[in-house]
Amino acid sequence: GAVVSQHPSWVICKSGTSVKIECRSLDFQATTMFWYRQFPKQSLMLMATSNEGSKATYEQGVEKDKFLINHASLTLSTLTVTSAHPEDSSFYICSAIQTGTSQFFGPGTRLTVL
Amino acid sequence: AQRVTQPEKLLSVFKGAPVELKCNYSYSGSPELFWYVQYSRQRLQLLLRHISRESIKGFTADLNKGETSFHLKKPFAQEEDSAMYYCALRRNTNAGKSTFGDGTTLTVKP
Repeated sequence: GAVVSQHPSWVICKSGTSVKIECRSLDFQATTMFWYRQFPKQSLMLMATSNEGSKATYEQGVEKDKFLINHASLTLSTLTVTSAHPEDSSFYICSAIQTGTSQFFGPGTRLTVL
Repeated sequence: AQRVTQPEKLLSVFKGAPVELKCNYSYSGSPELFWYVQYSRQRLQLLLRHISRESIKGFTADLNKGETSFHLKKPFAQEEDSAMYYCALRRNTNAGKSTFGDGTTLTVKP
């Protein structure tokens, strides 16, 4: 099946710094990628929808200036958490789809902000 | 607005017992329904989708439009079925964007 990778798998950073997370579709071209946030033992909260070559569509309540999304190619999307604070600590998951298929999820990135 | 409800946060059964994870949805159109599973320390992965009408790992789910439900069932649970299960709805008019339920943690005891 299709494979989606995320890098890094975990990151620890100081408060106020920015962190970039990459999401790649390894063996297919993803028409759309999604970024989710997952809290412990809770559901996935969709943050934004990312289409290659266009601006991301953010869900209500998600600060677009804080969570910068760039979808430079059909196989790569990046999420940058700017000026991170401890409350941004979470598990960030990306997923990718081809048209008409179900979602393929990345393994997630654990972000800890000190 | 679309909504997915999984009424049980935790579900525990004994090995060999039948199991049913409930999922109800609200959506005015014709949705696509999915079940995703997340095993311990693994990524979320697709278990089955309603349009496939297939059985995966012994699990089945039937879309009941009258009751707006998509319950996941397995006649004989196994210990390796212990995981977090998410029901998800995707609008057929919006490429890919899905709404997830809160998830049900299934524990199958020996």
